[in-house]
Formats: sequence, structure tokens, C-alpha cells
Amino acid sequence: DQQVKQNSPSLSVQEGRISILNCDYTNSMFDYFLWYKKYPAEGPTFLISISSIKDKNEDGRFTVFLNKSAKHLSLHIVPSQPGDSAVYFCAASGASYDKVIFGPGTSLSVIP
Amino acid sequence: KAGVTQTPRYLIKTRGQQVTLSCSPISGHRSVSWYQQTPGQGLQFLFEYFSETQRNKGNFPGRFSGRQFSNSRSEMNVSTLELGDSALYLCASSLSRSGYTFGSGTRLTVV
Repeated sequence: DQQVKQNSPSLSVQEGRISILNCDYTNSMFDYFLWYKKYPAEGPTFLISISSIKDKNEDGRFTVFLNKSAKHLSLHIVPSQPGDSAVYFCAASGASYDKVIFGPGTSLSVIP
Repeated sequence: KAGVTQTPRYLIKTRGQQVTLSCSPISGHRSVSWYQQTPGQGLQFLFEYFSETQRNKGNFPGRFSGRQFSNSRSEMNVSTLELGDSALYLCASSLSRSGYTFGSGTRLTVV
């Protein structure tokens, strides 16, 4: 039973355009959400997070939107750059000491 | 400051053997979590240790175990290896759930 879902295994976007990566979750107890980026042969690196008390968090080219009623969040990358090509993992956790659950990942390719 | 260090980077084992992987967290981080990454499955949570105690556990069989030492270094052990255990094993250390820092992982191949 996958509590965090990323239904698009892969996504291709032209350089300079917007990349939108989607994530759905099933557990209504989740209250903290994170995005990680992973390059081959490296561990995932933290990108951006959002608490359930917010519906948007922005950090430079990266914005995460949270729709609690739909149990859906999305990561927007604007403008997309070739260096953004990586696997993006959505993650979620509940109470402060709860484990962090990751989705299966979406592989983003930004085409020059 | 030094990042999360996982050793070894690569490992080849035979079915039925056992293996121990090591993780040294960032200095001061008391929480260490382990994940298994396989193609299409993303990062599957194995367990989390905090101050030498297992605080959370994922849905893996008892062949997967771990421990944490007083210096926060952690090891995970897999006994009676199966072909399906071939994966990238990632360790992450943190001060809080918002601050996960991952190591580069140990690539385990079971033949």
C-alpha cells in the first residue's frame, strides 16, 4: 500500500519552460511534505518542503503547492534548466518523530 | 562539515550470505534512517534509529536488522541474502524530519 504516489515515472520538458511534478498521498495524518532530487550514483538531496499549515512555499525557481483537501502536492520548476534533469522524490511524514515516506520518483529530463 | 558516509560503496554477495553496511552520520545528528531503493519502487523505509533505539520500522522481513552505537554510527545487517535484496541502500541522518541528509549509498548486488 503506497501512501505517497507519483504517477508519472518520467517527464520531458524543454529548457526554459515550466516543469510540473505531481504527488498524491493517502494518509490524512501527513502534515509535512518534502521534495528531494537525486542524480545517478548520489544520494538524494533536499530541495524544498512545505508544512500542512501552508498551501505554497517558494525557493528561487522552485515552488511547492499543497492542496490538502485533494491530498495533492506539486513541484513547479521555472524556468527549467538542463541541470535539473534528475529523479525527483516526493516525501511525507506525520507527527514530529514519524518516519518519512517517499514516493517512487519521477525522472525529469530537461531538453536543451 | 563532513557529510553522511556510507561504506562500502559497492558490494557483491552470494545468495544465502549475510552482509553488514555501515553509516556514519553528520556530527551531532542523532537520528539515522535507512532506505532501500529499487527501480520503480522508490525509497522504501527500512528503519530509523535515534539515540541507539529503533524509533520507527518499515515493512521488511526480520532478515533486515540494524543498530546504532553511542557515537550515532549505524549499521544494518541483512541475513540469508536473496536475489531480490539487490538494491541501493541509503542512509540518512537528521536533527529533525526536515533536515534529512543522505549518504551516497551502498550498491548491493546479490548473485
